[in-house]
Amino acid sequence: GAGVSQSPSNKVTEKGKDVELRCDPISGHTALYWYRQSLGQGLEFLIYFQGNSAPDKSGLPSDRFSAERTGGSVSTLTIQRTQQEDSAVYLCASSLQGRGDTQYFGPGTRLTVL
Amino acid sequence: KQEVTQIPAALSVPEGENLVLNCSFTDSAIYNLQWFRQDPGKGLTSLLLIQSSQREQTSGRLNASLDKSSGRSTLYIAASQPGDSATYLCAVKAAGNKLTFGGGTRVLVKP
Repeated sequence: GAGVSQSPSNKVTEKGKDVELRCDPISGHTALYWYRQSLGQGLEFLIYFQGNSAPDKSGLPSDRFSAERTGGSVSTLTIQRTQQEDSAVYLCASSLQGRGDTQYFGPGTRLTVL
Repeated sequence: KQEVTQIPAALSVPEGENLVLNCSFTDSAIYNLQWFRQDPGKGLTSLLLIQSSQREQTSGRLNASLDKSSGRSTLYIAASQPGDSATYLCAVKAAGNKLTFGGGTRVLVKP
């Protein structure tokens, strides 16, 4: 079946602009996660959704970052007033329910802020 | 705060040799540990998941062990092939459902 998909695959933006990154999880997966992978920081957790609610937002680096999930499926990560340090690969993952399940990752969105 | 360390950071072996990749974590209160493979410019592919109650998992040439009390996991890849060249990441899941990742081991298998 189809895996986790993300769009766009690449995004180049100018400093100060807002960007939206999209994630389509595997059908039927109730848990969805956003991570960020950057050269200096490795892979970092951003936010976790169970259904449409986000019980753990502890990884969001600032209030410029927000995410929502609608219909228990698609999620959008929004970065407002982008900064150069936001440049990274943003990865989305989903799992069937949560705690004990394998997380399946999408191909990522490479964000470059000029 | 959970910290995950992978040693070595890079590894180069001739084809046919067995690979041994190490992962250590500071907080033993985990739900599971997952090993991933990442190819350049790609996302993560899940290789093995070990629940906290398990000692090991096997899939083909891959075997992963878990010693929760000492905070260690080892991934063994038997009879390495050039196609095994990639970065291997371990990650632990604790409270909150998030994965905490190690820095990865970059593997090169030379033909």
